[in-house]
Amino acid sequence: DARVTQTPRHKVTEMGQEVTMRCQPILGHNTVFWYRQTMMQGLELLAYFRNRAPLDDSGMPKDRFSAEMPDATLATLKIQPSEPRDSAVYFCASGLSTGFTEAFFGQGTRLTVV
Amino acid sequence: EDKVVQSPLSLVVHEGDTVTLNCSYEVTNFRSLLWYKQEKKAPTFLFMLTSSGIEKKSGRLSSILDKKELFSILNITATQTGDSAIYLCAVEQPYSGAGSYQLTFGKGTKLSVIP
Repeated sequence: DARVTQTPRHKVTEMGQEVTMRCQPILGHNTVFWYRQTMMQGLELLAYFRNRAPLDDSGMPKDRFSAEMPDATLATLKIQPSEPRDSAVYFCASGLSTGFTEAFFGQGTRLTVV
Repeated sequence: EDKVVQSPLSLVVHEGDTVTLNCSYEVTNFRSLLWYKQEKKAPTFLFMLTSSGIEKKSGRLSSILDKKELFSILNITATQTGDSAIYLCAVEQPYSGAGSYQLTFGKGTKLSVIP
C-alpha cells in the first residue's frame, strides 16, 4: 500500500531550537509539496519540488525555513530558529507532475513550539 | 490574488440530514477543482471536477461545478457520524508554465454529525 511517510508525527520543542521534519514520498512520484495547516490560515503551500528541484518556496519565511530534497526518497523541511507562531501541522504530499488526482498526503507532523 | 472561499466554516447536523457545502473561487488559470475529506489526519481525495454541470457521485456524496459562476457544491445525503470531518475544497492551477500544477486550498468546512 503506497503512502507518503512523515516523521516525526509529533514534535514539541522550545523556542529557538532547530526542527527538522522529514518526508518520504511515494516511489515514482516526481513532485513533492510541503503544506502548513493552522486553524486561522487553513492549508498554505510552503514549498514545491519537481524532480528534486525547488520550483517554488515563496510561501516560506526565508530567514528561518529551508526545504531540500537530498535524494528522490527524502524531502526535509527545517526551521531554525523555531518560534511559537510556527506551531502547526505540516503536511507533505507527493504526486505526479501531470496533476493532482495522483497526489497523496502524508499523515502530517504536529509541531508545537513553546 | 487567487482565493478559494468555503462556507459555512462549520456546521452541526443530526444523523440522517442532508448537507450542502459551498466553495467559491477566484483564480487565474483554473484547471480543476478538488474536494478532500480530512478526518484526524491527512486529507483524502474525494472528487475532481473539471467540467461544468456534470455531477460526480460516490455513494451518498455528490459534487458539481459551475465554471460560469465560479463555485462548486458538495452534497452529503443521509449523513452519518462517520461523515464528521473537515471538508476541503482546492483549486488546481498550472504552475508558471512549468508543466506542473499546484493546489490553492480553502479553509475548510468543519462538519459535525451528531446521533
